[in-house]
Amino acid sequence: DVLMTQTPVSLPVSLGGQVSISCRSSQSLVHSDGNTYLHWYLQKPGQSPQLLIYRVSNRFSGVPDRFSGSGSGTDFTLKISRVEPEDLGVYYCLQSTHFPLTFGSGTKLEIK
Amino acid sequence: QVTLKESGPGMLQPSKTLSLTCSFSGFSLSTSGMVVSWIRQPSGKSLEWLAAIDWDGDKYYNPSLKSRLTVSKDTSNTQVFLKITSVDTADTATYYCARSGDFDYWGQGVMVTVSS
Repeated sequence: DVLMTQTPVSLPVSLGGQVSISCRSSQSLVHSDGNTYLHWYLQKPGQSPQLLIYRVSNRFSGVPDRFSGSGSGTDFTLKISRVEPEDLGVYYCLQSTHFPLTFGSGTKLEIK
Repeated sequence: QVTLKESGPGMLQPSKTLSLTCSFSGFSLSTSGMVVSWIRQPSGKSLEWLAAIDWDGDKYYNPSLKSRLTVSKDTSNTQVFLKITSVDTADTATYYCARSGDFDYWGQGVMVTVSS
């Protein structure tokens, strides 16, 4: 299985600040079709995960441009700028290039 | 508008078979490229992908649980089912279904507790 190593585990932030979350995979996430299937989700307390970024850097419909994704191969980053209260929760990365699909262990974004 | 909703027994005893239903609208599983997955999340833990079924009826399973899982869909292509046999306390979790590919839409989840 592809191991998704997500860091940090916890991320204190001041409102209005900027943060980065890292997700590293144990093997390349470039699919044979040329796409890289690495996605980012936010799970707010008591809710199901919601898609933020798909295929490394594409913002899902309605996601503010404060969220951006980057990376390639095995190394990926989610950046959040001008953090707002609604951004708090647990962030997960997911790879769907290789079966079985695997998630990162999560990063909890909390107020400093 | 795409929506998915999971339903299940809530609680069941060890060694029984867990049966879950994902009812969805706003898309059809008969459309080429469509896939629906099952994912679960024990309380306070990360997410685990379990199984998926695609528009063509092809099925995909997590090898760690494959022998216990069966995914299927109905003929109207508006429901997907998951059965997990021989459950034990480690299967206690919230179970989600999601439209796959990019996992863009998720259900609200159904909590399942395995307890004697």
